[in-house]
Amino acid sequence: GESVGLHLPTLSVQEGDNSIINCAYSNSASDYFIWYKQESGKGPQFIIDIRSNMDKRQGQRVTVLLNKTVKHLSLQIAATQPGDSAVYFCAEKDSNYQLIWGAGTKLIIKP
Amino acid sequence: ETGVTQSPTHLIKTRGQQVTLRCSSQSGHNTVSWYQQALGQGPQFIFQYYREEENGRGNFPPRFSGLQFPNYSSELNVNALELDDSALYLCASSLQAVYTEAFFGQGTRLTVV
Repeated sequence: GESVGLHLPTLSVQEGDNSIINCAYSNSASDYFIWYKQESGKGPQFIIDIRSNMDKRQGQRVTVLLNKTVKHLSLQIAATQPGDSAVYFCAEKDSNYQLIWGAGTKLIIKP
Repeated sequence: ETGVTQSPTHLIKTRGQQVTLRCSSQSGHNTVSWYQQALGQGPQFIFQYYREEENGRGNFPPRFSGLQFPNYSSELNVNALELDDSALYLCASSLQAVYTEAFFGQGTRLTVV
């Protein structure tokens, strides 16, 4: 079946630097992608989304880039803070409105 | 806060028992999805309910069943619990549309011993 995956299981970043988390997806027909942040012991929290007719979307300190040619998503976090430590998931919504998830990338912030 | 609440937050059950997990969806949302998340893994889709009907199911056996009520709250029932059922169970509420995000509860941590 179709799947969404992540390139790196763990990413260590110096506090204050920018973080880039990558995600590959396999369903070229997917129209909608979401990034979630999950802190330990909590449910996933919506960060930002992007539709397939866009290649970039910006939020507060976060930017999502979509490259449909190579079926790749990335999440950029500017000026990473200790509170950004979490596992980050990309997910795509399929034609049945269901989310297909990757395994996640754990972001570690070094002081 | 997302407005999605799950109960209980933690639960310990014995193998072979049955369990019911509950979810109150966000106001105005008509769709509830349930996910199982093993430690260190991404959420795995169990099933989805839209207006009290199941309208999608992942690769889970029939002993995983659910209900959605007229107020769009939902239950997840698991019969004949197995050790591998130990996981975080997440509920998400949303609208039945493509370009809408899902809001998650804090999850129920189920431990089967």
